[in-house]
Amino acid sequence: AQSVAQPEDQVNVAEGNPLTVKCTYSVSGNPYLFWYVQYPNRGLQFLLKYITGDNLVKGSYGFEAEFNKSQTSFHLKKPSALVSDSALYFCAVRDPFSGGYNKLIFGAGTRLAVHP
Amino acid sequence: EAGVVQSPRYKIIEKKQPVAFWCNPISGHNTLYWYRQNLGQGPELLIRYENEEAVDDSQLPKDRFSAERLKGVDSTLKIQPAELGDSAVYLCASTSRDGTEAFFGQGTRLTVV
Repeated sequence: AQSVAQPEDQVNVAEGNPLTVKCTYSVSGNPYLFWYVQYPNRGLQFLLKYITGDNLVKGSYGFEAEFNKSQTSFHLKKPSALVSDSALYFCAVRDPFSGGYNKLIFGAGTRLAVHP
Repeated sequence: EAGVVQSPRYKIIEKKQPVAFWCNPISGHNTLYWYRQNLGQGPELLIRYENEEAVDDSQLPKDRFSAERLKGVDSTLKIQPAELGDSAVYLCASTSRDGTEAFFGQGTRLTVV
């Protein structure tokens, strides 16, 4: 079965320090991978995606993610965290059996807390 | 450009009552999705529309849930009757025909008491 795992319920980091939010996936074929962020009482906002090409993908708000096929991982990173980055982050993979459409399979989410 | 618009933002109802949610996708987006997000979990797909046709409703509890997308634009998701376990955030999303990322609305938070 296709799945996404986010092994950490919460990540705590001090402002100005680098942050990493982990994601691993299990999917048939070449994965389409996504990161979304959810602020309180807001919908999901797209951050970045990996479809093909360079393994390092840059996205919104200074975030980037590294696709690692051998480790089936797609970790989200930022060199210097901001307090305003505190939110809920979701990793997702497109269901390869959705006929080319964006049926997304989400992880359970990781809450990022950036402390001043 | 306006994003995906959902209403209402919040809804509190008693169990066994009906409830409906409305979604207006981004203009020109052919594909519309309804997801349900339970507390502490990631969203899960309920139904996907291609224009006015429901092409994937395998995870929609059809005994009490129904959806429609008349004219292939806005969509309504209905629950009748609601149960306590239906309390969740219901998210609507849309993509263009050749788009790879889905754009989500702010969601409707349903509380069934």
